[in-house]
Amino acid sequence: GIQVEQSPPDLILQEGANSTLRCNFSDSVNNLQWFHQNPWGQLINLFYIPSGTKQNGRLSATTVATERYSLLYISSSQTTDSGVYFCAPLTGGGADGLTFGKGTHLIIQP
Amino acid sequence: DAGVIQSPRHEVTEMGQEVTLRCKPISGHNSLFWYRQTMMRGLELLIYFNNNVPIDDSGMPEDRFSAKMPNASFSTLKIQPSEPRDSAVYFCASASSGAEKLFFGSGTQLSVL
Repeated sequence: GIQVEQSPPDLILQEGANSTLRCNFSDSVNNLQWFHQNPWGQLINLFYIPSGTKQNGRLSATTVATERYSLLYISSSQTTDSGVYFCAPLTGGGADGLTFGKGTHLIIQP
Repeated sequence: DAGVIQSPRHEVTEMGQEVTLRCKPISGHNSLFWYRQTMMRGLELLIYFNNNVPIDDSGMPEDRFSAKMPNASFSTLKIQPSEPRDSAVYFCASASSGAEKLFFGSGTQLSVL
C-alpha cells in the first residue's frame, strides 16, 4: 500500500508563530485530506486537497501531486491549534479508505 | 446536521466478553468506515462499506471482529470474544461518495481488562 511520511513528528511553538507541516507519499493520489485531532481526541477534517492550494482562515494547504507531497501551513498559531495533524492520501478510486500518516504532534505554548 | 454519532463513548469490559460498537453516519452519506487508533499502530482502517455493502475488510484483525451495516443509517462493529490487546479507540467515519471528505464520529474508547 501507499507509504505516508509526515514531518516533523513533534513541534513546539510559541503563540503567534507560523509553521509548515509536510506530508510525503509514495504513490500518485486522487484524494488527500488533512485532519486535526484535538487534545480531546476529536478528528476534524481540515482540507480535501488532491492538488492545488486551498485556504481556510489561518490555515492553508498545498498539494503537489506530481512531486508526491503536501504542505499544511498554520499562521499566527493559537493554543487551540495544539494537537496532532494527520495527512491521509488515497490512491484508489471509489470508496476506498484513506491511509493515515503517523501525524505531527503540535504544541502551541502561550 | 448531528454529524457521525457513535455509542457508547466509553466501554470497559472483561476479557472474553462480547463488545458491540454502534455508529450512525451522516444522513445522505453512502460510504462508512471503521478505524482503530492505538499508540503503537496509529489510525488503521478496519473495514469500509459502500451503499451498505462491505467493500474491503482486509484490515479486520481476525475472525473475532465482525461488522455489519443492515441499512444506510446504522452500522455495528462486534468483537467476540474480546481480548486486552483490543483496547483502543474505535472511530466510525462517513463520506458522501467515494472520494469525498471524510467526517469522523467522536470515537469509542474501549478498555478490555
